[in-house]
Amino acid sequence: DVKVTQSSRYLVKRTGEKVFLECVQDMDHENMFWYRQDPGLGLRLIYFSYDVKMKEKGDIPEGYSVSREKKERFSLILESASTNQTSMYLCASSFVGVKNIQYFGAGTRLSVL
Amino acid sequence: SQQGEEDPQALSIQEGENATMNCSYKTSINNLQWYRQNSGRGLVHLILIRSNEREKHSGRLRVTLDTSKKSSSLLITASRAADTASYFCATEASGNTPLVFGKGTRLSVIA
Repeated sequence: DVKVTQSSRYLVKRTGEKVFLECVQDMDHENMFWYRQDPGLGLRLIYFSYDVKMKEKGDIPEGYSVSREKKERFSLILESASTNQTSMYLCASSFVGVKNIQYFGAGTRLSVL
Repeated sequence: SQQGEEDPQALSIQEGENATMNCSYKTSINNLQWYRQNSGRGLVHLILIRSNEREKHSGRLRVTLDTSKKSSSLLITASRAADTASYFCATEASGNTPLVFGKGTRLSVIA
């Protein structure tokens, strides 16, 4: 079975802190994605990557950056956390291919105080 | 990107009844997928239907797609309490582009 692992289920940080959210997948998927999920807004794409060292902006990249140094790992970075970044963060991965089915991690619930 | 819209936003039914959720989208698509999310967890892929298909079945799930109306429906037959979750549709506009997710339908199945 595909496994996508997010490093933390719950995280509490202070305003202004630098925050790293880590995601690792074990299926050699080329594509990786970071979403945030807020009540009433659904899933919104922050950044995605189609290959190592490649990154593309999604719909809401402001305030975030990403790093993909290895194929299996995709990190989301909040350079200076703010209270409006309190959210559920979901990582996903997929093969390049016809079906483009995404496999999700369990999510990280981040609270910025 | 433009999200799809699920309808209704929330649905409450008795165990054993059928549940129908609808999804509308705005652009032409390669495929449409349905995902399920249990409370506080990640999404799990349920079923995919290609743009040239009209209907697909998987166990108690039935998905239809009407590309002329840019809409899809997910039917869960003989629902169970364990089907309680949020259900999302997601569309792929063209090969290997990011999926666009709707806002989801919250389904509650009461035992």
